Amino acid sequence: IAGITQAPTSQILAAGRRMTLRCTQDMRHNAMYWYRQDLGLGLRLIHYSNTAGTTGKGEVPDGYSVSRANTDDFPLTLASAVPSQTSVYFCASSDSVGHSTDTQYFGPGTRLTVL
Amino acid sequence: GQNIDQPTEMTATEGAIVQINCTYQTSGFNGLFWYQQHAGEAPTFLSYNVLDGLEEKGRFSSFLSRSKGYSYLLLKELQMKDSASYLCAVQDSNYQLIWGAGTKLIIKP
Repeated sequence: IAGITQAPTSQILAAGRRMTLRCTQDMRHNAMYWYRQDLGLGLRLIHYSNTAGTTGKGEVPDGYSVSRANTDDFPLTLASAVPSQTSVYFCASSDSVGHSTDTQYFGPGTRLTVL
Repeated sequence: GQNIDQPTEMTATEGAIVQINCTYQTSGFNGLFWYQQHAGEAPTFLSYNVLDGLEEKGRFSSFLSRSKGYSYLLLKELQMKDSASYLCAVQDSNYQLIWGAGTKLIIKP
């Protein structure tokens, strides 16, 4: 069982380019999340999905979009990358949402550099 | 606004005990999580508290006081592998996690 996988592991991207970060989980979790982690700051939620077919905006959604066509996959797209989007991106999933024991499990992360 | 405060960095000696504090001000409270994150790796779940008191799990314990907006993570019998960042996160009224910036724990022999 792999848990959560993310691809690519790392990427250097020219500003203005489009980029999709992939996330797949095999735990049949209903909820999935995208975070960015920057030095000195806590994890910040970009977008989330409580169940397949639904998505919602987190704390820092601007410049990012997501889709949730099925339970397993939750890709994050940067339509036109900017240097401020340089960060480490983590995908996470939880069995449910709206319950007090919704432990989130994280993928290994994607390190993105936008030049 | 919502705010989670933790010390930026702490240093402790192998075999000793260390307490990492977390204070929070959030819109609602549905639980508090502690995660461990080794450098270059993903956060991994350590503990969860929703009621006041101490939860013990092996060498790690976590305490919560909801009235004070305060939690701590207690690590006993420190090992070199415990060198990592420890993240405090509070589940708010919408069941979203609000994260602290993390405490980097350095263990010295």
